[in-house]
Amino acid sequence: DAGVIQSPRHEVTEMGQEVTLRCKPISGHDYLFWYRQTMMRGLELLIYFNNNVPIDDSGMPEDRFSAKMPNASFSTLKIQPSEPRDSAVYFCASSSPRNFSGRLNTEAFFGQGTRLTVV
Amino acid sequence: GEDVEQSLFLSVREGDSSVINCTYTDSSSTYLYWYKQEPGAGLQLLTYIFSNMDMKQDQRLTVLLNKKDKHLSLRIADTQTGDSAIYFCAEGDGANNLFFGTGTRLTVIP
Repeated sequence: DAGVIQSPRHEVTEMGQEVTLRCKPISGHDYLFWYRQTMMRGLELLIYFNNNVPIDDSGMPEDRFSAKMPNASFSTLKIQPSEPRDSAVYFCASSSPRNFSGRLNTEAFFGQGTRLTVV
Repeated sequence: GEDVEQSLFLSVREGDSSVINCTYTDSSSTYLYWYKQEPGAGLQLLTYIFSNMDMKQDQRLTVLLNKKDKHLSLRIADTQTGDSAIYFCAEGDGANNLFFGTGTRLTVIP
């Protein structure tokens, strides 16, 4: 497997424009996570899905952010309208928890990230 | 969600040991992880420890877990400039959830 694939790697857009980030998780993984990373706030969980269903979106900063997972191999994170403070690196990660002797190992595999700059 | 806390920055001199600390709040955590993020790249799993272990050693890396104090540390012996990265602590709560700290940016000074 090629790992988690995100596109684009870099995105520069003007304030007010719609931005769509894409993610292809590792085949067979049933959890998908969207994170945002900034220098000031570190890594923040935005939303995660289990079997394509959003489970916890409490980290989504505001209504301008939305995420979908129409099938097991694709997810999008959309920002509309974008603002300069949305500039960050956005990571997608996937996992498939494994049970070892009654303990769940939830190692997550990350994509390379999308660096978003809103000017 | 659970709280996982780390300091944001750490600087060490090349050849010294680095110790990156992490505290967490969930007493039901099953696995605790250290991830490394190199510049311009995603996070990659560095090592992990079962919650019923006190220590795990892997070459230059030593993970110490104090479950009573909910404190996890990562020690890197003989730190090299190639170790400069952001290190993330994470805990798995046994219910398929994974919670990350904000990351500690390690700078190795030649």
